[in-house]
Amino acid sequence: EPEVTQTPSHQVTQMGQEVILRCVPISNHLYFYWYRQILGQKVEFLVSFYNNEISEKSEIFDDQFSVERPDGSNFTLKIRSTKLEDSAMYFCASSVWAAQETQYFGPGTRLLVL
Amino acid sequence: ILNVEQSPQSLHVQEGDSTNFTCSFPSSNFYALHWYRWETAKSPEALFVMTLNGDEKKKGRISATLNTKEGYSYLYIKGSQPEDSATYLCAFSSGNTPLVFGKGTRLSVIA
Repeated sequence: EPEVTQTPSHQVTQMGQEVILRCVPISNHLYFYWYRQILGQKVEFLVSFYNNEISEKSEIFDDQFSVERPDGSNFTLKIRSTKLEDSAMYFCASSVWAAQETQYFGPGTRLLVL
Repeated sequence: ILNVEQSPQSLHVQEGDSTNFTCSFPSSNFYALHWYRWETAKSPEALFVMTLNGDEKKKGRISATLNTKEGYSYLYIKGSQPEDSATYLCAFSSGNTPLVFGKGTRLSVIA
């Protein structure tokens, strides 16, 4: 069964460093998403991506964040200069159509910023 | 600000017990309610997407109901098994808007 994959599973970085989180969505899906969950809090929407551009983003998704689909299969989230409060589990998801359809999640990348 | 609440926060049941938990969401501008099951170190697994008031969906021993007028959904597990131990997340959508998640109900089934 097709699944969303994410790499790495864990990443530890120093504050101020750039990180790139990678995702491979399900191949026939058209919508892609990033979410994050800070420990003990709710899963929060970051950004959705369709047709090679951002379709929606939350207040969390500020100028430090960017997304890219560099090669037609990967979908990346870049954090330019990490802060301590960026420590969280980051989930990628994809869906055939838009948010009202089932979104299929990857296993997440746990990011720890020291 | 859309708010989705789930209760209880955590639940411990004995194997074989049936259990249920609640997701509350805004009753206005409803489009869809999603239930996910999330086991530690695995991907959240989609269980149901519910769109119509009065919807009931079933997958094996797990079922869910939806009341959009009063803004709640129940998830039921019949005859809980240890493998049902997971966090159950609900998420609300009001159309072409991002999913808004609850905090989840953490279920532990004791053998």
